[in-house]
Amino acid sequence: DVKVTQSSRYLVKRTGEKVFLECVQDMDHENMFWYRQDPGLGLRLIYFSYDVKMKEKGDIPEGYSVSREKKERFSLILESASTNQTSMYLCASSLSLGGYNEQFFGPGTRLTVL
Amino acid sequence: KNEVEQSPQNLTAQEGEFITINCSYSVGISALHWLQQHPGGGIVSLFMLSSGKKKHGRLIATINIQEKHSSLHITASHPRDSAVYICALPGGQGAQKLVFGQGTRLTINP
Repeated sequence: DVKVTQSSRYLVKRTGEKVFLECVQDMDHENMFWYRQDPGLGLRLIYFSYDVKMKEKGDIPEGYSVSREKKERFSLILESASTNQTSMYLCASSLSLGGYNEQFFGPGTRLTVL
Repeated sequence: KNEVEQSPQNLTAQEGEFITINCSYSVGISALHWLQQHPGGGIVSLFMLSSGKKKHGRLIATINIQEKHSSLHITASHPRDSAVYICALPGGQGAQKLVFGQGTRLTINP
């Protein structure tokens, strides 16, 4: 059974703080994804990674960076958090890249930036 | 880029009713995903289908590739079916990514 875990369920930060969101998967998946989910906008892809140290921008990368130093771990970094980054953040992983492959999601981190 | 439209956005029904959620898209694809998100956030995959119909318990998903349309049906609905249902399909960047609908919030009252 694939398990994707995220470091926090709820997080409250102040404007300008550096924020790290961590995601770990235990199924040796090559590909990992970070999404944000906002009411009325659905899930939007921030970044994805198809291998260790490899990353690709998604649809809304501005204000975010990512790090993948180990296969099982994919981190999302908000260099200087802003109030418009208040959102639900979801991590996912998949065995193969491509929209025809099932993605397995973590429980989500609800981030509030004050 | 593939555009995905789900309807309705919100649906409230009584326990036992037959539920239909629709998903239409603009660019032809050969597979589509249905996902379920319960309150609290976690998303699980219900179906991936490329043609015809798939059934899992009380859930049935159908797809018509020619008409670019898919439906998710729930028979004998129950309050535990209350969740957000999301359709997703390949789109963008050489179909490497999924494109998601906005979701349908379903509430089943006892």
